[in-house]
Amino acid sequence: SAVISQKPSRDICQRGTSLTIQCQVDSQVTMMFWYRQQPGQSLTLIATANQGSEATYESGFVIDKFPISRPNLTFSTLTVSNMSPEDSSIYLCSVRNQPGQGYEQYFGPGTRLTVT
Amino acid sequence: GQNIDQPTEMTATEGAIVQINCTYQTSGFNGLFWYQQHAGEAPTFLSYNVLDGLEEKGRFSSFLSRSKGYSYLLLKELQMKDSASYLCAVRVGNQGGKLIFGQGTELSVKP
Repeated sequence: SAVISQKPSRDICQRGTSLTIQCQVDSQVTMMFWYRQQPGQSLTLIATANQGSEATYESGFVIDKFPISRPNLTFSTLTVSNMSPEDSSIYLCSVRNQPGQGYEQYFGPGTRLTVT
Repeated sequence: GQNIDQPTEMTATEGAIVQINCTYQTSGFNGLFWYQQHAGEAPTFLSYNVLDGLEEKGRFSSFLSRSKGYSYLLLKELQMKDSASYLCAVRVGNQGGKLIFGQGTELSVKP
């Protein structure tokens, strides 16, 4: 199974600022995803991070608010821009391999963000 | 649209059996997953069903009926450590697909 690390593990930020979250995987993976988990809620997919091209965003999420980079097959970043208290959430990186190389999808430990 | 329904919470007794149901209506289907999530931790993979039937893995089993859009997770010989949130997720889409999650079922195991 893939081992995923995220930085930072938690942060407290002021409204109007931006935070970049890093996701590092110990092996090359085909697909990387970013999820948000608001307090007491389940996971909501923000976007699929595509290597070498623009991320694919889900309905309700836009690139200006959540820019994503994926420079290679083991690393991705998610930026939460111009933060407001409503952005307080846990942000999770998730990875899986391409079809035929295992069906499991793994999650990183998450980044707990509090916006004041 | 995508719709995945689970009960919000359930309570069961240590040593007993509990069944957590999940119904789904999604555009496309490439498999159904169950994850366990303890408070403050990341979800961990429990099971995967892509064909109809029962998959058994130790104390945990998962069932799928694609025609009914229905799955359940069966937990046997409940232990206190099984108290957690259980998330049903459906993989949809092409080119590997993406996981869409239900709201999760908070299971409390009592002595």
